[in-house]
This record gives sequence, C-alpha cells and structure tokens, in this order.
Amino acid sequence: EAQVTQNPRYLITVTGKKLTVTCSQNMNHEYMSWYRQDPGLGLRQIYYSMNVEVTDKGDVPEGYKVSRKEKRNFPLILESPSPNQTSLYFCASRGQGLMEAFFGQGTRLTVV
Amino acid sequence: EDKVVQSPLSLVVHEGDTVTLNCSYEVTNFRSLLWYKQEKKAPTFLFMLTSSGIEKKSGRLSSILDKKELFSILNITATQTGDSAVYLCAPISSGSARQLTFGSGTQLTVLP
Repeated sequence: EAQVTQNPRYLITVTGKKLTVTCSQNMNHEYMSWYRQDPGLGLRQIYYSMNVEVTDKGDVPEGYKVSRKEKRNFPLILESPSPNQTSLYFCASRGQGLMEAFFGQGTRLTVV
Repeated sequence: EDKVVQSPLSLVVHEGDTVTLNCSYEVTNFRSLLWYKQEKKAPTFLFMLTSSGIEKKSGRLSSILDKKELFSILNITATQTGDSAVYLCAPISSGSARQLTFGSGTQLTVLP
C-alpha cells in the first residue's frame, strides 16, 4: 500500500531536549516536505527536498534541520526544541510531474 | 513571494445547503492547483486542476479553475454532516521544488 509513515504520532518533550521525527515513503517519490500546522495559519512549509542530498528551506525553517540521505526517508530534527515549536507536523511526498502530494498521519508535538 | 488566500475562513451551514469556497493565488510559473479535505487527521486529496474549466470529483463536489483571473472555487451541493472539515487549496509551480503553497483553509461546519 502506498503510504507516508511518520513517527511518533504524539510526543511530549521538554525544552532543549533534541528530538527527531521520522518520515518514510514507499512510492519512490523525489519530492518530500515537512509542514507545520497551527490554528489560523494553515500549513506552512518548514523544509523541502528535491531528491537525495538536496534540501532547502521553506517558509519557517528556524529551529529545524532535515536530512535526505536516502530517497525514502526525510527526518525532521529539532536540536533544541522550544515551546513555540508546539504544533502539528506533517510530512508529505510527491513524484515528479503534476501529481498530488501524499501526507503522513501527522505528529502532534508538545514542548513544555 | 507566492501567495494563496482562501475565503471565507469559516462557514457554518445546515445539511442540504450549497456552499462555495474560494481560493485566489499568486504564484510564479503556475502549473496546477490541488484541493484537499482535512478532517481531524492528514489532508486527503480531492481534485487536481490544470486547465481552466470544471473538474468534478463526485456528484456533489465540483471545482472550477480560472487561470486568467487566478482563482479556483470548490462547490459542494446538498451538504452533509460528513462534509464538515477544513478545505485547503494549494497551487503548484513548475520548476519549483517548493512544491505546494497552502492557503490557510476554510473551516466548513455542516449542522444536521
């Protein structure tokens, strides 16, 4: 089954404790992105990747890192999380061409 | 800078009503526009519109794209409580690895 898998689904952590949210897709998609969703602000892009070893900043990259060592994986790293990073995070992937984006199930992160 | 504006932000109707959701956009090298439905989970794909005209998803949902005036509308007729969700639009730019720029969405609530 074609899917984008994020883990964990829920995470509560403390300020400053490094964390990683994993994202994996099994569709051999070139493009992958991370979004955060906050009330009234819609989906805002954090980072995106065109392919392996090619990543770039989206609209709200501060406080986040990503890597794309393999085509299927695109982890989101918070080196020193802060409470303003409390949000709902989505990973998405899309193939080349005019194709829809597929979303992961979401990760609800709370930083206290 | 790419810009996507959806209106209204929120809409409350009764079952059986017809609703029209609006999406206006300004993106460079526009190629297509996607509509998504988001309930309390990840967005799910509804439509992809590439050419000006009408694209129907089902008997009750339809969408129009106007590439000249840079907007799209999503129509839902004979609404049902299961239509309650946030509806998101996202234009895609060609040659842009940033992929999708989402609007803030329209929260639709359908009352019985």
